Amino acid sequence: GQSLEQPSEVTAVEGAIVQINCTYQTSGFYGLSWYQQHDGGAPTFLSYNGLDGLEETGRFSSFLSRSDSYGYLLLQELQMKDSASYFCAENRDDKIIFGKGTRLHILP
Amino acid sequence: GAGVSQSPSNKVTEKGKDVELRCDPISGHTALYWYRQSLGQGLEFLIYFQGNSAPDKSGLPSDRFSAERTGGSVSTLTIQRTQQEDSAVYLCASSRDRGNEKLFFGSGTQLSVL
Repeated sequence: GQSLEQPSEVTAVEGAIVQINCTYQTSGFYGLSWYQQHDGGAPTFLSYNGLDGLEETGRFSSFLSRSDSYGYLLLQELQMKDSASYFCAENRDDKIIFGKGTRLHILP
Repeated sequence: GAGVSQSPSNKVTEKGKDVELRCDPISGHTALYWYRQSLGQGLEFLIYFQGNSAPDKSGLPSDRFSAERTGGSVSTLTIQRTQQEDSAVYLCASSRDRGNEKLFFGSGTQLSVL
């Protein structure tokens, strides 16, 4: 079965902040990463959390709480070019397994 | 090359035919993955190679699917007796080493089975 859960779609307004959540199973878990994929494109790596806490990279931040088996991706100052699908991915037993992705719609 | 290279970019085949998809990872990357992505869907794990270790084949959907990696570099994914449900984008990714979470993806092969 699917071990990663994330919302299928999220809608936000340009300039705003949006949070995309991801929950995972704990067995064999090492860390959580996030990828962005534009329509017709290949996924590209955004960030990784191996330890609890917040990782910040420009407008994007990612958070992990091992005690809650939960993480999120935070996108600030949304731009139209951020319209894409966002995937959380877990490092489980040395291989990378992806969630089903969250489609982010941005309204002008 | 600088990135992961996949060929062909598009493949149209008839039901029942065999197809081979190729992936050239980034030079020096020891880990190589194959994923499958149907339209608007997530990335389905197929197989994982790490160095000279036995591959993790746990994601292959049937025995019609197989993959090999020669010399720790180029990989070929073979689908025998293709079915219409095999139509999807097949993505290859490599990473620097075992369990490294930063994957670099190729542009994928769009497979269409008629």
